[in-house]
Amino acid sequence: DIQMTQSPSSLSTSVGDRVTITCRASQSIITYLNWYQQKPGKAPKLLIFTTSNLQSGVPSRFSGSGSGTDFTLTISSLQPEDFATYYCQQSYSTLYTFGQGTKLEIK
Amino acid sequence: QVQLQESGPGLVKSSQTLSLTCTVSGGSISSGTHYWSWIRQPAGKGLEWVGRIYSTGSTNQNPSLKSRVTISVDTSKNQFSLKLSSVTAADTAVYYCARGVVVPGAHDAFDVWGQGTMVTVSS
Repeated sequence: DIQMTQSPSSLSTSVGDRVTITCRASQSIITYLNWYQQKPGKAPKLLIFTTSNLQSGVPSRFSGSGSGTDFTLTISSLQPEDFATYYCQQSYSTLYTFGQGTKLEIK
Repeated sequence: QVQLQESGPGLVKSSQTLSLTCTVSGGSISSGTHYWSWIRQPAGKGLEWVGRIYSTGSTNQNPSLKSRVTISVDTSKNQFSLKLSSVTAADTAVYYCARGVVVPGAHDAFDVWGQGTMVTVSS
């Protein structure tokens, strides 16, 4: 299995902050990395696919970068609706795996 | 737009078989660029991919569950289903169905999700 490790696991932040979440794969996944946002009691929502492609309807304050084993999700200016848990997921291997999640909390 | 809806019992007894169905509306399950997955999430924990099926019936499962997982599709009903046998408390989770969109060599992601259904395994 390809292990996905996110850091940090949680982050206390404020509206307007620039936030960066890191995801590391246990082996190269080229750019087959997706990011999801999940709010309490809701299903995950696709934000970014294949490292840096914004899903339709997702605000441009979200961006992604990376390749190989190291990837980042950046939120340029945090909005109140962005407080949620974020998951990375690799699709390089058919045994899809997710990171453990990063929870953004209000400071 | 395409919507997914899970259905099935919310309570299953230990050692029995968990059965869930996902109904696809607003689009055809027979789309060639899509596959259909089950993903689960224990309370307060992360996401685990269970398996997937194409409309052709071709399947892949998570090896950690493979011997217990059966995924099937009914294109006439625009539905796909999950059966998980010999369940234990460790199988208690919210189960999501999701659509995967794949363009070989380009991208592969879960772009549409059902709302999820909680399944509790009781002793």
